[in-house]
Amino acid sequence: DTGVSQDPRHKITKRGQNVTFRCDPISEHNRLYWYRQTLGQGPEFLTYFQNEAQLEKSRLLSDRFSAERPKGSFSTLEIQRTEQGDSAMYLCASSFWRGAGLYEQYFGPGTRLTVT
Amino acid sequence: SQQGEEDPQALSIQEGENATMNCSYKTSINNLQWYRQNSGRGLVHLILIRSNEREKHSGRLRVTLDTSKKSSSLLITASRAADTASYFCAGFKGGAQKLVFGQGTRLTINP
Repeated sequence: DTGVSQDPRHKITKRGQNVTFRCDPISEHNRLYWYRQTLGQGPEFLTYFQNEAQLEKSRLLSDRFSAERPKGSFSTLEIQRTEQGDSAMYLCASSFWRGAGLYEQYFGPGTRLTVT
Repeated sequence: SQQGEEDPQALSIQEGENATMNCSYKTSINNLQWYRQNSGRGLVHLILIRSNEREKHSGRLRVTLDTSKKSSSLLITASRAADTASYFCAGFKGGAQKLVFGQGTRLTINP
């Protein structure tokens, strides 16, 4: 399967614990996005990378959240000191940006986080 | 925060009927896309309609765009049970081309 993959698919953790999610984009894609989706809502943008550079972060990304894409390939999203409000589906998407124009984002299956 | 609103929030129809979902958005966005999401899964891109287009077709899908009213509609004709899913409209925003989604319409097709 050459699509976007995410690991793990489900994560249950206790409040206060740290969690880390991984996203593997489509191999030639240079842009990688993270979104968060709560129940009954549409996804909301968190952050994105172009190659290894993190170019934009949403206000939703508090200082407990950190994302990396060290080699411009896979990315990790870490949440420190998890809170119940962090319970959501975390979606990763990638695209191949080539300058002017619009480029479809391909989504992974998501990681569902439950904080108890 | 969500920038778009879908209407209705939930829609239940019989298999074979047509389903129409509407999306209105608050701010100026570059072009508009529709996505489908099966329960608890990732999003699948359905169709993109550019700002200078008014209507677009893809298979059983028909999308319209009215930039003056900041609204779009998605029509699924001859619905099938497999069309049961949530449908979201989304626009690109800014140079990042981040997607700004509406709240979605939950479509249920009854056999």
